[in-house]
Amino acid sequence: NAGVTQTPKFQVLKTGQSMTLQCAQDMNHEYMSWYRQDPGMGLRLIHYSVGAGITDQGEVPNGYNVSRSTTEDFPLRLLSAAPSQTSVYFCASSYSQGGPYEQYFGPGTRLTVT
Amino acid sequence: AQTVTQSQPEMSVQEAETVTLSCTYDTSESDYYLFWYKQPPSRQMILVIRQEAYKQQNATENRFSVNFQKAAKSFSLKISDSQLGDAAMYFCAYRFQGAQKLVFGQGTRLTINP
Repeated sequence: NAGVTQTPKFQVLKTGQSMTLQCAQDMNHEYMSWYRQDPGMGLRLIHYSVGAGITDQGEVPNGYNVSRSTTEDFPLRLLSAAPSQTSVYFCASSYSQGGPYEQYFGPGTRLTVT
Repeated sequence: AQTVTQSQPEMSVQEAETVTLSCTYDTSESDYYLFWYKQPPSRQMILVIRQEAYKQQNATENRFSVNFQKAAKSFSLKISDSQLGDAAMYFCAYRFQGAQKLVFGQGTRLTINP
């Protein structure tokens, strides 16, 4: 198993550009989520999905869109990048929303918006 | 809303000694999980140890153990016989039993002095 994979690993955008961060998992996990990590603030939840076709907002959803058309993939879209979106982004997945199941994290994407 | 607080932004310890990282949390729930994650310079989030709130016994994983005080809402991590490879950012995290959303603390950067 590859686990949770994210592409790209690094990205530089100009203000106003759009892009999609890719996330895929091969563990047949129902639950997938996106976090952002900023210095001194830990990780914060952006969006999550409890299954194909179902998504919901987390703590900091503004400026981001998600969709879940398959169990395996959960892309994060930045429609018009802003410097405030400079951060490290992590995708995570878990077997189920509730219960004792561990979340598995991808390697992260470092995004810089100039 | 649940919150997690790590009051030590940085800690350092001599190799082979013991260090304790502090974490407090706030929740009105009775069924939840607490975690310590390690983030080395590679950025990968690695689960170190997990504690179920309904268990009175403190979790232990080799050199890593926790002191879980449910009434005080405290969850500290003790690393015994510190090794150079333990140097990393450590995050405390909370999750309600019925959901997968993780709430993270701000992190503690641990330095190991040879």
